[in-house]
Amino acid sequence: DVKVTQSSRYLVKRTGEKVFLECVQDMDHENMFWYRQDPGLGLRLIYFSYDVKMKEKGDIPEGYSVSREKKERFSLILESASTNQTSMYLCASSQRGQLTDTQYFGPGTRLTVL
Amino acid sequence: KQEVTQIPAALSVPEGENLVLNCSFTDSAIYNLQWFRQDPGKGLTSLLLIQSSQREQTSGRLNASLDKSSGRSTLYIAASQPGDSATYLCAVRPGLTGGGNKLTFGTGTQLKVEL
Repeated sequence: DVKVTQSSRYLVKRTGEKVFLECVQDMDHENMFWYRQDPGLGLRLIYFSYDVKMKEKGDIPEGYSVSREKKERFSLILESASTNQTSMYLCASSQRGQLTDTQYFGPGTRLTVL
Repeated sequence: KQEVTQIPAALSVPEGENLVLNCSFTDSAIYNLQWFRQDPGKGLTSLLLIQSSQREQTSGRLNASLDKSSGRSTLYIAASQPGDSATYLCAVRPGLTGGGNKLTFGTGTQLKVEL
């Protein structure tokens, strides 16, 4: 079974802090994704990566950056956390070149910025 | 820009009832459509994936249909059970583009099946 893990289930940070959210997958997937999920807005794509050191902006990249130094790990960075970044963050992975393949999701990190 | 809408936002049904969840999308140039399930505070689990060339997919008590030309999909759940209580999301993948399989999600239908 594919497993996608996220470093924390719940996180509370202060405004202005630098925040790292980590995601690890164990299926050698090329593609990895970061979403945020908010009530009434659904899942929105922040960034994705289709290879090591490669990244592309999603729909809402402002205020975020990412890092993919190893194939299995994709990090989301909030350089200076703000209250409007309070949200549920979901990581996903999928195989490249498999157009019928699904994305596999981690359990999510609920981030609260005070 | 693709927009995906799910109606209703919430649904409550008695156990044993058959039900239909709806998903509509504005751009019919999709590659496939997926239905996911999300339990409270958890990640998403894929239920069914329909290719644009297909009309429906079935898995157990679940049946998903796709009418690409009208921009609609339905998820039919037969003989609902309390364990089906969750939020159901649909997501569409656009036609072939580079950069991985980006998905556009609907906001979901929160289903509660009552005893």
